[in-house]
Amino acid sequence: EGHLVESGGGMVQPGGSLRLSCAASGFSFSTYEMNWVRQAPGKGLEWLSYISNSGNTVKEAAAVRGRFTISRDNDRNSLYLEMNSLRVDDTAIYYCARERRDYGDYSFDVWGQGILVTVSS
Amino acid sequence: DIQMTQSPSSLSASVGDRVTITCRASQSVTNYLNWYQQKPGQAPKLLIYAASSLESGVPSRFSGSGSGTDFTLTISSLQPDDLATYFCQQSFSTPRTFGQGTKLEIK
Repeated sequence: EGHLVESGGGMVQPGGSLRLSCAASGFSFSTYEMNWVRQAPGKGLEWLSYISNSGNTVKEAAAVRGRFTISRDNDRNSLYLEMNSLRVDDTAIYYCARERRDYGDYSFDVWGQGILVTVSS
Repeated sequence: DIQMTQSPSSLSASVGDRVTITCRASQSVTNYLNWYQQKPGQAPKLLIYAASSLESGVPSRFSGSGSGTDFTLTISSLQPDDLATYFCQQSFSTPRTFGQGTKLEIK
């Protein structure tokens, strides 16, 4: 029914860059829209970015626009988040999530386990 | 952006209690409203989609209702396994905003 695994997290200095990956399995990756969501320590969920199934349409939250870029490789069943100009307040667990779309239903039905990104000097 | 406000922020209840969590949108989201459960140390899990549809595999003690701007998640008989934080999310428009969460504790 679908499985997502994030990788690429870790510690980085302010102003640095990281590239997160999300490997998909168990479903037809190329037919689903995908999203990135993050959760700062002890805080709630924050939607970051969306990409259409073809990759032709992307959307970002204002907080990361111009610094984070979502992309995908349907041949590799993989989703990516390129993060530049990282700030201390970008410290969070980052989740990739599959978006299910049906009549009246736009929901995130499959989530990865999350990957920690720590931005600190 | 559509703002989502949940209440209460935290809640303590006993096993067997009926529990209700509310979520209010700053403008109508019709029925594009989802509920997620996040247990400590885990990723969120979809419970309810389209305001009132139960996700496959989710126990029937969970239910959702509402439309427009006001929504409710109800647990009919609280179980120890329901210890978690619950989030609502609107999927009517981008950004897909979440409520701030309701932390549910078991007395």
